Amino acid sequence: DVKVTQSSRYLVKRTGEKVFLECVQDMDHENMFWYRQDPGLGLRLIYFSYDVKMKEKGDIPEGYSVSREKKERFSLILESASTNQTSMYLCASRPGSWAQHFGDGTRLSIL
Amino acid sequence: AQSVTQPDIHITVSEGASLELRCNYSYGATPYLFWYVQSPGQGLQLLLKYFSGDTLVQGIKGFEAEFKRSQSSFNLRKPSVHWSDAAEYFCAVGVSGNTGKLIFGQGTTLQVKP
Repeated sequence: DVKVTQSSRYLVKRTGEKVFLECVQDMDHENMFWYRQDPGLGLRLIYFSYDVKMKEKGDIPEGYSVSREKKERFSLILESASTNQTSMYLCASRPGSWAQHFGDGTRLSIL
Repeated sequence: AQSVTQPDIHITVSEGASLELRCNYSYGATPYLFWYVQSPGQGLQLLLKYFSGDTLVQGIKGFEAEFKRSQSSFNLRKPSVHWSDAAEYFCAVGVSGNTGKLIFGQGTTLQVKP
């Protein structure tokens, strides 16, 4: 079974902090994704990566950056956290087929 | 632009009753379509997918979905709902190209009455 692991289930940070969300997959998948999930808005794509050191902006990249130094790890970075970034963050990875496999999510609160 | 609409934000059904969750998409070519389920506090789990061929697809947990090109719909069904089916359900469409990007609907929350 594919396993996508997000390092934290719950995280509380302060406004202005630099925040790192980590995601690791164990199946050598090429593509990895970061989404944020908000009530009534579904999942919105922040960034995705199709190979090591390769990344592309999704639909809502503002205020975020990403890093993929190794194939199995994809990090989401909030450069200077703001309260409107309080949300559930979901990481996913994808093998050659279309279906994405998701982690359990990180619920991030910015105070 | 591609989009996915789930018209029902919240649905309540009685245990043992049948279920249909609606999904409409907007996409120029033949779409790749998905249904995911999210239990409280969990990530998303793939229920089923449609790529081509038979328009009625079977998934896990007794769910099925039917692709209707003429109606741009991909509705999810289950003949008899169990209390454990209470969750949030997301429909998604795959964007063309090799990136594997998905566009998700807003989600439908299913409540099951005993």
